[in-house]
Amino acid sequence: AQKVTQAQTEISVVEKEDVTLDCVYETRDTTYYLFWYKQPPSGELVFLIRRNSFDEQNEISGRYSWNFQKSTSSFNFTITASQVVDSAVYFCALSERGSNYKLTFGKGTLLTVNP
Amino acid sequence: DTGVSQDPRHKITKRGQNVTFRCDPISEHNRLYWYRQTLGQGPEFLTYFQNEAQLEKSRLLSDRFSAERPKGSFSTLEIQRTEQGDSAMYLCASSSAGTYYEQYFGPGTRLTVT
Repeated sequence: AQKVTQAQTEISVVEKEDVTLDCVYETRDTTYYLFWYKQPPSGELVFLIRRNSFDEQNEISGRYSWNFQKSTSSFNFTITASQVVDSAVYFCALSERGSNYKLTFGKGTLLTVNP
Repeated sequence: DTGVSQDPRHKITKRGQNVTFRCDPISEHNRLYWYRQTLGQGPEFLTYFQNEAQLEKSRLLSDRFSAERPKGSFSTLEIQRTEQGDSAMYLCASSSAGTYYEQYFGPGTRLTVT
């Protein structure tokens, strides 16, 4: 069964600090996808990134970067030089080809960036 | 392409009433998923359709819940005899053949049962 664990329930940082959000997943499928979503107070899910199980290359997009390591079943997300607008709940999610691509989400990490 | 839309965005109802939500997927997306998100939790899968066929239902979908997608386009999710525990955000997502892993989410319907 697929499972996603986000051990950090809440993180609070001061603006301009770097912060890493952890995500550990479990799957038996060889073809799967990992995602990060941002959920601001409005409630909408904002897609940030998708990686497939065959591509372990790390990715950087502006102040955001993602570290995918199959050896440790982790897909961590780092925000560099955090800003107040980064404050939100962040979800890591997993979908498997063998499970019809339905998404399994972690419980989320509430990030608060203080000025 | 107007994205996935959901209606209503907010619904307040009294316990015991029936409610119905609607989701309009991106046109030509043949898969449609429903998720439920309770306070402080991540979204949880409820059910999904491929065209008009409901192919999987979660154990979370009790007998009081029913979902339909009659013409393979929009979908409705009905909750009968609502309970306070049904208070949640109901999210809809759609995806297309060949890229089922790429789900596009709607804004959600927030249900409050008083």
